[in-house]
Amino acid sequence: DGGITQSPKYLFRKEGQNVTLSCEQNLNHDAMYWYRQDPGQGLRLIYYSQIVNDFQKGDIAEGYSVSREKKESFPLTVTSAQKNPTAFYLCASSPATGTLEAFFGQGTRLTVV
Amino acid sequence: AQKVTQAQTEISVVEKEDVTLDCVYETRDTTYYLFWYKQPPSGELVFLIRRNSFDEQNEISGRYSWNFQKSTSSFNFTITASQVVDSAVYFCALSEPNYGQNFVFGPGTRLSVLP
Repeated sequence: DGGITQSPKYLFRKEGQNVTLSCEQNLNHDAMYWYRQDPGQGLRLIYYSQIVNDFQKGDIAEGYSVSREKKESFPLTVTSAQKNPTAFYLCASSPATGTLEAFFGQGTRLTVV
Repeated sequence: AQKVTQAQTEISVVEKEDVTLDCVYETRDTTYYLFWYKQPPSGELVFLIRRNSFDEQNEISGRYSWNFQKSTSSFNFTITASQVVDSAVYFCALSEPNYGQNFVFGPGTRLSVLP
């Protein structure tokens, strides 16, 4: 089935550790996105990529890093520099036009203790 | 600047009632797209509808209908005869293709449909 796969669904990490969230899509979409969602709040854009080997910072990129070495994959690393990393992270993809809807993965809930 | 406002944080209705979720947007372009997504408790966002700025025709899909009014910069969503399964968080979103491919989301409205 075509879609977006995020893994793992739940992730626990100790404070000060880097952690990488996986996002894979088989929709042949050029654009991919990472959003952060805090309880009771909307989605805030962390990073997005319109093409392989290129990505742009979103509104809250500090403390995060990404790579886009393959069209299908857009992993997000939450670094120890991120002050408050506990949140729900959503990955999405869309065709490279900006006119069509984005498709979302099921999300990763990260808890830092 | 682009911005999406959903003034209703939470709404509770009793099953079979009609409910309207409001969405007001700000855009810097004449070409833009509006979207509605549903986020059930499982967390994944489910796409509901897309509307471009040149098409103000209202749309109906089963119990769902959307009212797009450029004059008031609004794109409201109505659920007729609500059901418990409609309980979710609903997000309105905006994209401006001439300014890149990212999407701007509103804060969401949590709808609770009580049996």
